[in-house]
Amino acid sequence: TQLLEQSPQFLSIQEGENLTVYCNSSSVFSSLQWYRQEPGEGPVLLVTVVTGGEVKKLKRLTFQFGDARKDSSLHITAAQPGDTGLYLCAGARIVGTYKYIFGTGTRLKVLA
Amino acid sequence: DAGVIQSPRHEVTEMGQEVTLRCKPISGHDYLFWYRQTMMRGLELLIYFNNNVPIDDSGMPEDRFSAKMPNASFSTLKIQPSEPRDSAVYFCASSSRVGTGHQMGTGELFFGEGSRLTVL
Repeated sequence: TQLLEQSPQFLSIQEGENLTVYCNSSSVFSSLQWYRQEPGEGPVLLVTVVTGGEVKKLKRLTFQFGDARKDSSLHITAAQPGDTGLYLCAGARIVGTYKYIFGTGTRLKVLA
Repeated sequence: DAGVIQSPRHEVTEMGQEVTLRCKPISGHDYLFWYRQTMMRGLELLIYFNNNVPIDDSGMPEDRFSAKMPNASFSTLKIQPSEPRDSAVYFCASSSRVGTGHQMGTGELFFGEGSRLTVL
């Protein structure tokens, strides 16, 4: 059973377009992280959100944690080829635990 | 500073052979994780340690898998005997406890480059 479902699974867009990736669950998470992974490398942390309704911005990336802490979204404005990669959400269900469960992943390709 | 170091980067072996994957976490980190990544199942948590003690091994597939952390700077993941369905990329990650109360457990996971295992 996959606790964290991401959508879409694959996304191919042109440079300059906007996109949103979703991470959904029926479970409540105490915190949620977003990672980006490039081929041949391990995932790298982009952001951590811990409060329901929290919004964080990282340059052209905007992250939101749902009010009920069951879902999250990642919005990219004016995508660039350098944004290409596998985007993974990861949630911890219990405060104080490091048991992060990863989502199914969204593979993004931005065409120049 | 050196990141998480894993070895070997690639391993090709035959079914039934023993496989040992190694990990050196970032110095000073007190948490170590082993994950497995496949196209079908994504990134799965196998086991994690805190201060060299296994905390949760519920993700370990079966008795063929075992993990040890004899000291703060070294961990191994062993598969014996290996099977073709064990083929995957195995990642080691480390982290340190940050914050208190509600902020606990929000530390960044630092991943190694992974060990790609192919079992023929």
